[in-house]
Amino acid sequence: GIQVEQSPPDLILQEGANSTLRCNFSDSVNNLQWFHQNPWGQLINLFYIPSGTKQNGRLSATTVATERYSLLYISSSQTTDSGVYFCAVDLYNFNKFYFGSGTKLNVKP
Amino acid sequence: DTAVSQTPKYLVTQMGNDKSIKCEQNLGHDTMYWYKQDSKKFLKIMFSYNNKELIINETVPNRFSPKSPDKAHLNLHINSLELGDSAVYFCASSQDRMGDTQYFGPGTRLTVL
Repeated sequence: GIQVEQSPPDLILQEGANSTLRCNFSDSVNNLQWFHQNPWGQLINLFYIPSGTKQNGRLSATTVATERYSLLYISSSQTTDSGVYFCAVDLYNFNKFYFGSGTKLNVKP
Repeated sequence: DTAVSQTPKYLVTQMGNDKSIKCEQNLGHDTMYWYKQDSKKFLKIMFSYNNKELIINETVPNRFSPKSPDKAHLNLHINSLELGDSAVYFCASSQDRMGDTQYFGPGTRLTVL
């Protein structure tokens, strides 16, 4: 099956710092999503981004499907950004998403 | 207004019991999903229904049986619970079955003793 690798597995930031999270995948994919799971367990969809670049406030994401990776940028991090960030890919555009193992982010005040 | 809701939020039960988790979405979406998140936070899709029709059925023991009485509801029934079933189960929905954003419920933490 498809391999989805996220890096780094753990990240500690000081509030206000910027960071880049990476998602590599082993096959061509039709779709990709980024999720944030907050410390209370809620999963929030951040971006639906099969290709190109999107921005939402302090967050932006870029997917280069031909090179099989996606990046999530967090700028001016806040403590509320803490949690686990997941990348999920869909091979055939059937919404059958395979998740990476996540990047656990801890933003310290 | 909760978009995707699940009940119960916590479920503690003995091995061998049968239990159900309910999911409802008020987004008017056509497609609903069940995911399992294990103790290492790994998320894996289990089932997907589109307009009450099963469209994704991953390699899940047949002790797990999803039921969709209408497109706004997708319930998960688990027979003969085992210790390894302990996990957080998430329900999700999307507008359509193809190429769409998924919205997740708050999760149900199942503990099998």
